[in-house]
Amino acid sequence: DVQLVESGGGLVQPGGSLRLSCAVSGLTLSNYWMHWVRQAPGKGLVWVSGINSDGSSTGYADSVRGRFTISRDNAQNTLYLQMNSLRVEDTALYYCVSSTSSSDYWGQGTLVTVSS
Amino acid sequence: EIVLTQSPGTLSLSPGERATLSCRASQSISSAYLAWYQQKPGQAPRLLIYSTSSRATGIPDRFSGSGSGTDFTLTISRLEPEDFAVYYCQKYSSSPGWTFGLGTKVEVK
Repeated sequence: DVQLVESGGGLVQPGGSLRLSCAVSGLTLSNYWMHWVRQAPGKGLVWVSGINSDGSSTGYADSVRGRFTISRDNAQNTLYLQMNSLRVEDTALYYCVSSTSSSDYWGQGTLVTVSS
Repeated sequence: EIVLTQSPGTLSLSPGERATLSCRASQSISSAYLAWYQQKPGQAPRLLIYSTSSRATGIPDRFSGSGSGTDFTLTISRLEPEDFAVYYCQKYSSSPGWTFGLGTKVEVK
């Protein structure tokens, strides 16, 4: 069975930092592009960042560019999201997603709350 | 940046009825890169349709997708009780960037 398990969320003050991790099992991570997608409470899905299979290409939503950094360790089957300069509007459930052109797998998400 | 506009925001229908959901792109996109997701409360989204009209593994054939250019449609031929949920269209691409629409909620009338 494929499992994606996010961790690292929590309560942080505005301006603070968090590092999210996504541990993947049941598939070979190096075959998949990986993404972070977030969902604020009661709101829709918003793509945050993505990285290609070997980590050579990354992309970011305008709202997080310059503050968030995506990375991956294929040997450890783990995806990361370093989040700096956090804002109240970054509060959301953060999903880790592995994707190909015809299929994907989602984790259950880790909740990030930015509040003073 | 391409914007995806979904309509209607909410669709109120009864089980057994046909649902037609629209997704309009602000500029033309390749049909190879348009997908639809279903999300139920408390669950992660599930891929239904990729490349505009191909059903993902395990998706029943009452779900179908169509469209081209800027106008895309998800059709549920006969609504089952488990189909009442929120549906998102998504543009993906060969570079790591996705865009989601704001969603259409299909609710019980």
